[in-house]
Amino acid sequence: QVQLQESGPGLVKPSETLSLTCTVSGGSISSYYWSWIRQPAGKGLEWIGRIYTSGSTNYNPSLKSRVTMSVDTSKNQFSLKLSSVTAADTAVYYCARERRGVRGVIDYWGQGTLVTVSS
Amino acid sequence: QSALTQPASVSGSPGQSITISCTGTSSDVGGYNYVSWYQQHPGKAPKLMIYEVSNRPSGVPDRFSGSKSGNTASLTISGLQAEDEADYYCSSYTSSSTPHVVFGGGTKLTVL
Repeated sequence: QVQLQESGPGLVKPSETLSLTCTVSGGSISSYYWSWIRQPAGKGLEWIGRIYTSGSTNYNPSLKSRVTMSVDTSKNQFSLKLSSVTAADTAVYYCARERRGVRGVIDYWGQGTLVTVSS
Repeated sequence: QSALTQPASVSGSPGQSITISCTGTSSDVGGYNYVSWYQQHPGKAPKLMIYEVSNRPSGVPDRFSGSKSGNTASLTISGLQAEDEADYYCSSYTSSSTPHVVFGGGTKLTVL
């Protein structure tokens, strides 16, 4: 059974860069798209972007200028960086796996990690 | 404002059926069969319930079904049970401007 676990600082200062890592266990990271999705408290889901194990990326057009994703297949990890954060970036951040062969379908999710942007 | 439009809330009694709609455009819901539905209980990660409009992952009860007509997708839950009370989100793949995924704003299902 594939498991995903987010890790990173729970508190980030405004204007700084949010950095999160997702560790995948129970299966190989290879040959899948890996995604980041966030959810502000009491609000809906927002897709941030995805990365293939080759390093190819797709980002949400509304966040594209601030997002960078990377993957480390040797560690079975992938990462998110979101620059110039504001209070509006406060949310639970989920890492997730896209189901193979079906575009945009998330079949495995991490438990989520709360990131608060505050000074 | 979410890219896909869902009703904020729906409700039904145990045993009844409910339908949740998800309206997009020809660039997303109407243009692809990559519509998914997720169930989210409070404090938990979302769970995939339907993918490719009407397919159920293994383990999802057949009380859950999906369909699509034009730019609107629908999730129907028949034989409502108390444990179905949750938030439901639709999503769609889109290649508008650049390939990405859009979500609906979510629908709160209350089992009366």
